[in-house]
Amino acid sequence: GAVVSQHPSRVICKSGTSVKIECRSLDFQATTMFWYRQFPKKSLMLMATSNEGSKATYEQGVEKDKFLINHASLTLSTLTVTSAHPEDSSFYICSARRQGTEAFFGQGTRLTVV
Amino acid sequence: SQQGEEDPQALSIQEGENATMNCSYKTSINNLQWYRQNSGRGLVHLILIRSNEREKHSGRLRVTLDTSKKSSSLLITASRAADTASYFCLTMNTGFQKLVFGTGTRLLVSP
Repeated sequence: GAVVSQHPSRVICKSGTSVKIECRSLDFQATTMFWYRQFPKKSLMLMATSNEGSKATYEQGVEKDKFLINHASLTLSTLTVTSAHPEDSSFYICSARRQGTEAFFGQGTRLTVV
Repeated sequence: SQQGEEDPQALSIQEGENATMNCSYKTSINNLQWYRQNSGRGLVHLILIRSNEREKHSGRLRVTLDTSKKSSSLLITASRAADTASYFCLTMNTGFQKLVFGTGTRLLVSP
């Protein structure tokens, strides 16, 4: 199957700093990438959908300036959590979709803001 | 809410019993997938069913899809303690632009 690599798998950062999470499709070109957030014991909430070369479409309630998404190439999308606060601590996971097929998930990133 | 609904929210059974989880969704879909997740870790893909399919099997898993009712079910037969996990349905809409999870079912299988 197709491989999606997400990095880092775990990150601890100080309040006020920014953190970048990378999502790469290793063996296919991803026309669309999706970013999710998961709180403990809850489901995965879609944060935004991004298409290569265009601005991301954010879901209602997700702050665009807080969660910057860049999809600069067909194999890479990044999520930057800006000015992180403890309430941003969460599990973040990306998904990449090939043209006309199902999507494939990265391994996830556990972010802890102290 | 963007999410589909799953029921039950939690299910506790004994090894050897069958477990059935249901998922209802809101939009027209291209396909529906089921995933499992252990304790907030990564997702494990279980099975995909396309909108023109009604039933699919994979090992001890059986998935049904009723597009007229916008619902799907996942049946795990002869459950094992190792099946203990959270299970989520995931729908992709017909435009391939929305990929949305259900609320999930926490399954506990006791030895």
